[in-house]
Amino acid sequence: DAGVTQSPTHLIKTRGQQVTLRCSPKSGHDTVSWYQQALGQGPQFIFQYYEEEERQRGNFPDRFSGHQFPNYSSELNVNALLLGDSALYLCASSKTGTRYTDTQYFGPGTRLTVL
Amino acid sequence: ILNVEQSPQSLHVQEGDSTNFTCSFPSSNFYALHWYRWETAKSPEALFVMTLNGDEKKKGRISATLNTKEGYSYLYIKGSQPEDSATYLCAFIGSRLTFGEGTQLTVNP
Repeated sequence: DAGVTQSPTHLIKTRGQQVTLRCSPKSGHDTVSWYQQALGQGPQFIFQYYEEEERQRGNFPDRFSGHQFPNYSSELNVNALLLGDSALYLCASSKTGTRYTDTQYFGPGTRLTVL
Repeated sequence: ILNVEQSPQSLHVQEGDSTNFTCSFPSSNFYALHWYRWETAKSPEALFVMTLNGDEKKKGRISATLNTKEGYSYLYIKGSQPEDSATYLCAFIGSRLTFGEGTQLTVNP
């Protein structure tokens, strides 16, 4: 049973570019959440997708957008990259249920560096 | 801005020591509290999901308690082992989900 997978593992972009990160949830899970972890900080919640819709969003600008596909996989898109977007981006999946009492399973993350 | 604070920021103990650390969170609009263990170069691993005031959960040598009225949760590790070395994160779920910055535990053999 594959856990949560993310691609790519590492990515280097320059300011102003756009990036797409991908996540496949754990088998049997239909909810995907995205987090940004900057150096020295805890993960910051970006948004959560369920039934192909954004269910909740953290305090991130519109440059951060996402999508969920019918197979429950998800993408995180960041436009007009800034140096401050350099971080580890984590994806977590969970089963449908009471929204925040489900155990979340995390992927290994994508390390994005913006030069 | 929701303040979720973890203390201490880092901790060094000897193998066999028991240890504990704290997660403090707002006492209003509480919905759930999650604890995670994050080893270097691995994915965060869920330890506990706690929802009720007075909850106590245990997994092997690790246990956690929850006090929603005063806004804190303790994580205890009994008889620490080098493999317990990791960053321990709590996540408060109220109107939104907020992680603490973690406690980095190092267990020396």
